[in-house]
Amino acid sequence: ELKVEQNPLFLSMQEGKNYTIYCNYSTTSDRLYWYRQDPGKSLESLFVLLSNGAVKQEGRLMASLDTKARLSTLHITAAVHDLSATYFCAVDMGYSGAGSYQLTFGKGTKLSVIP
Amino acid sequence: DGGITQSPKYLFRKEGQNVTLSCEQNLNHDAMYWYRQDPGQGLRLIYYSQIVNDFQKGDIAEGYSVSREKKESFPLTVTSAQKNPTAFYLCASSIGAGGVTQYFGPGTRLTVL
Repeated sequence: ELKVEQNPLFLSMQEGKNYTIYCNYSTTSDRLYWYRQDPGKSLESLFVLLSNGAVKQEGRLMASLDTKARLSTLHITAAVHDLSATYFCAVDMGYSGAGSYQLTFGKGTKLSVIP
Repeated sequence: DGGITQSPKYLFRKEGQNVTLSCEQNLNHDAMYWYRQDPGQGLRLIYYSQIVNDFQKGDIAEGYSVSREKKESFPLTVTSAQKNPTAFYLCASSIGAGGVTQYFGPGTRLTVL
């Protein structure tokens, strides 16, 4: 059974600071996704990482994937209040044998950026 | 505008009733999914469908049923057999299998009275 663990689960940080969210997973996979969720809203796709060493950046967020360590990171640079949200990583289990792919989600990291 | 729509946004159910949540997409995606989200938790997969007239159980399918009669529609029925149905339900779709992003609808919040 694939397990996906995020840490921290709660993060309070000041504007202008840097921080990293970690996503560990338990079985081999080379497909990892990061999503953002605002309170009461749906999930918005942020990054898709499809190979070892993949790095993607969008604004103040940068995501990376190390498939050997089974680890992805989401790095926040010079945080601003608008980044306050819950961030989820999800791992693709690959072909499940039933004709589809399944995502297993972490529990999410609730980020609060304080002015 | 292309996208995924879910209705209703809020739904209240009495114990013992079945209710159906609607999910429609006009993205021409082959695959569709239903997830459940509980407070402070990640998403858990209920059912998914890769093609019309075919669907597979996810991790928590008990007490739920689905149908996929049309490519653009994937309704979810929460039956009275689901003991704790109060949750936020999210529908998603993707072009196909593997390495592709799932796009999510706005969600339906179901509350059992």
